[in-house]
Amino acid sequence: GAGVSQSPSNKVTEKGKDVELRCDPISGHTALYWYRQSLGQGLEFLIYFQGNSAPDKSGLPSDRFSAERTGGSVSTLTIQRTQQEDSAVYLCASSLATGGTGTQYFGPGTRLLVL
Amino acid sequence: KQEVTQIPAALSVPEGENLVLNCSFTDSAIYNLQWFRQDPGKGLTSLLLIQSSQREQTSGRLNASLDKSSGRSTLYIAASQPGDSATYLCAVVTGRRALTFGSGTRLQVQP
Repeated sequence: GAGVSQSPSNKVTEKGKDVELRCDPISGHTALYWYRQSLGQGLEFLIYFQGNSAPDKSGLPSDRFSAERTGGSVSTLTIQRTQQEDSAVYLCASSLATGGTGTQYFGPGTRLLVL
Repeated sequence: KQEVTQIPAALSVPEGENLVLNCSFTDSAIYNLQWFRQDPGKGLTSLLLIQSSQREQTSGRLNASLDKSSGRSTLYIAASQPGDSATYLCAVVTGRRALTFGSGTRLQVQP
């Protein structure tokens, strides 16, 4: 596609429910990142996928968060047993270059609200 | 731990002015620095990427400089327009290969 796409654009859920957020990176981009933007914390890194290497999960805030990337393309971020503090905009980015050396292109984000 | 600071937090200028946004970072061992623009309720748009070996990059009315040794970057916007109104974010890539962001400068250009 022309850019990074994310779905859904908005998600409202009840505390304790699980949610899945989807990211479609730019075709051919081997690097994929998830970030979170919240009012109190600004923009923070969550997880990074690079090709077939093991992902860098060092930014995940708790074990309720997980992500996978299938076939080196689409990625899903899953939040289990959602809490109100998980409310934020979740942004996905992809890059053609390896090792963080290239431009990261961002999707429009998924706005998550946990009631 | 890398920390990125942006000054000022907010800026309001009349149309036509040239302006400078500042970014500083605590760990000079960066791979690159990227400037983004974010419009309300939208994702991030990449403006300029400066590799660690470079001193500046230009795109149209935008010019970004990088002084890695002192941990500073500036984004210069020439002849500002109302359409430039947005939040501008500075971010650096260090060893973890992901971006560390500043908190942004909210720019308002008055017509």
